[in-house]
Amino acid sequence: DADVTQTPRNRITKTGKRIMLECSQTKGHDRMYWYRQDPGLGLQLIYYSFDVKDINKGEISDGYSVSRQAQAKFSLSLESAIPNQTALYFCATSENPGRGNTGELFFGEGSRLTVL
Amino acid sequence: DAKTTQPNSMESNEEEPVHLPCNHSTISGTDYIHWYRQLPSQGPEYVIHGLTSNVNNRMASLAIAEDRKSSTLILHRATLRDAAVYYCILTCGSSYGKLTFGQGTILTVHP
Repeated sequence: DADVTQTPRNRITKTGKRIMLECSQTKGHDRMYWYRQDPGLGLQLIYYSFDVKDINKGEISDGYSVSRQAQAKFSLSLESAIPNQTALYFCATSENPGRGNTGELFFGEGSRLTVL
Repeated sequence: DAKTTQPNSMESNEEEPVHLPCNHSTISGTDYIHWYRQLPSQGPEYVIHGLTSNVNNRMASLAIAEDRKSSTLILHRATLRDAAVYYCILTCGSSYGKLTFGQGTILTVHP
């Protein structure tokens, strides 16, 4: 089983609909992230959370919201989806900073969202 | 944030070494150099990172210039599975875990 699991993997929706993408992890990491990737481009950070009570905006948070329901769960919502939010969305986790850890991010397999 | 510059694409033959360059002329003293790669239809995966000294792990080697304004990811023997987009990313302690991805280098490996 994957350490970072995203659901759904693929979703087609219509403009104006509310959409939730869910992420769960079994790595025991405190830090979780949501990234967006447009075709042919690198990833952009939407929101991040360093623990259950901590939520922070990333580079492109407009039009998105998040919920950290538990250490293992971090959800991304599009309250009213629009076509330019069509993209590939990735969830990631990492450890807290500390001696010996690499700062490595562990990514899920992605959720492909199409907004018509 | 300090930015990185990478070639858009590179090609290699299977079982040959590959040297992927990255320029980061505005790097600050606290910036770490991270490399990630993204295989087709997958999320990015960590490859290696370093601060000042060259680094080796089971996947690759990272050679960092003495002035730290450039670095090179070295794949010692490319395989077809190494075909991916490689991202060179700078990150400092205050932004630990928050990565700024550029467009990366598309590596093609020929049989």
